[in-house]
Order: sequence, then structure tokens, then C-alpha cells
Amino acid sequence: GAVVSQHPSRVICKSGTSVKIECRSLDFQATTMFWYRQFPKQSLMLMATSNEGSKATYEQGVEKDKFLINHASLTLSTLTVTSAHPEDSSFYICSATGTSGYNEQFFGPGTRLTVL
Amino acid sequence: GQNIDQPTEMTATEGAIVQINCTYQTSGFNGLFWYQQHAGEAPTFLSYNVLDGLEEKGRFSSFLSRSKGYSYLLLKELQMKDSASYLCAVLDSNYQLIWGAGTKLIIKP
Repeated sequence: GAVVSQHPSRVICKSGTSVKIECRSLDFQATTMFWYRQFPKQSLMLMATSNEGSKATYEQGVEKDKFLINHASLTLSTLTVTSAHPEDSSFYICSATGTSGYNEQFFGPGTRLTVL
Repeated sequence: GQNIDQPTEMTATEGAIVQINCTYQTSGFNGLFWYQQHAGEAPTFLSYNVLDGLEEKGRFSSFLSRSKGYSYLLLKELQMKDSASYLCAVLDSNYQLIWGAGTKLIIKP
């Protein structure tokens, strides 16, 4: 089946630093990748959609200068949280659309970010 | 606006059957997904419905009625490991997934 990896799985950083999260599709080419954020006991919130080689499309209310997304290849997308603050602490999950006929999203295992 | 409703929490007994409902109002419809999410983990795919009717997959079944904007996920022979959140998501006319808030299912022995 389609596998998506995410690295790191957990990160703790100081306020003001930047954190990069990688999302890779391991056995398929992902034309589209999605970045979600999930706060405790809440549902997934889509942050942005990215297609390989083009700029990401950000959801309303998501600061593109703070959450930098790069989708340089069909198997790799990165999310950089710049100048992180404690309110950015959350569970960040990426997903990728595979080749199935109904746009099923395959999810990475998620990254738990804690900003001190 | 777009809206997906599902119960916040349900409790069931090991070995029993539980039905988790989902109603939706979206701009267009290109299918409905059910995902399972254990605490601290990413969602995993359970089912996809685009036509009316019941799709059965082992202990799990999913039903869709497009005219009613309604779906349910049926879990049979419940096991303790089924304790998780179950997320309903609809693919709208722009092929964007609209997520419900999830139903936390608690299984008791």
C-alpha cells in the first residue's frame, strides 16, 4: 500500500526558533500533498495544499510567511514553522494523494511540535 | 457554509455493535470517507462511499444516502482496540476534503 513518512515524529524547541518537518511518499509519486494541524480533542484543520513545483495554496487564516511549504519533488514536501511560539504547539500531519481513483489521502504518522 | 455533524462521543460494550452517524451539507459531493484515528496517531483509511448503499469490509460497514446527506459507520463484534476517534470527511466539488470533528468511541469490557 501507499506509505507516507514524516520526520521528525517529535520536536521540542525554544520560542523564536524555526522547525522544519519533512513529509515523504515512499512508494508512490504524490501529485498533491496536504498539511494539517490538529489541536487536542479537535478535528484536522487543513493548513495548505501543495502541488509539486508550484506554490502552496493556503487556507484562510494561515500565515504563508510563518508556515513555509516547499514541494520540490513528487515525493517530498516540507513545512517550516518560522519563529515558532508556544501557540504553534500542535500535532502536524501531512497527507498525500495517491493514484487511486477516488483521491484517497494517505497520511503520515504526524509530528508533535512543542514550543517552550 | 459547509458542515459535517457527527456525535462527539459514544460508548459501547466489547462484542457489541455500534453505529456512528454522520450528516453533511457541502458544496458538491465527490464521495465520503471514514477514517480511524487512535490518540496521538495519524488517521487511517477505513472506507469510501460515493454511491448510495452499504459497503461491507470485514467487521466494518459504511452506508451512504446522498439524497439525505447521511452516512453511518457500523462496527460489529467490537474489540477493545476499536477504541479510537472516527472521522467522517466529504470530498466537495473542488475535491477538497471537509472534515467532521470526529466521534470518540469508548469500548468497555
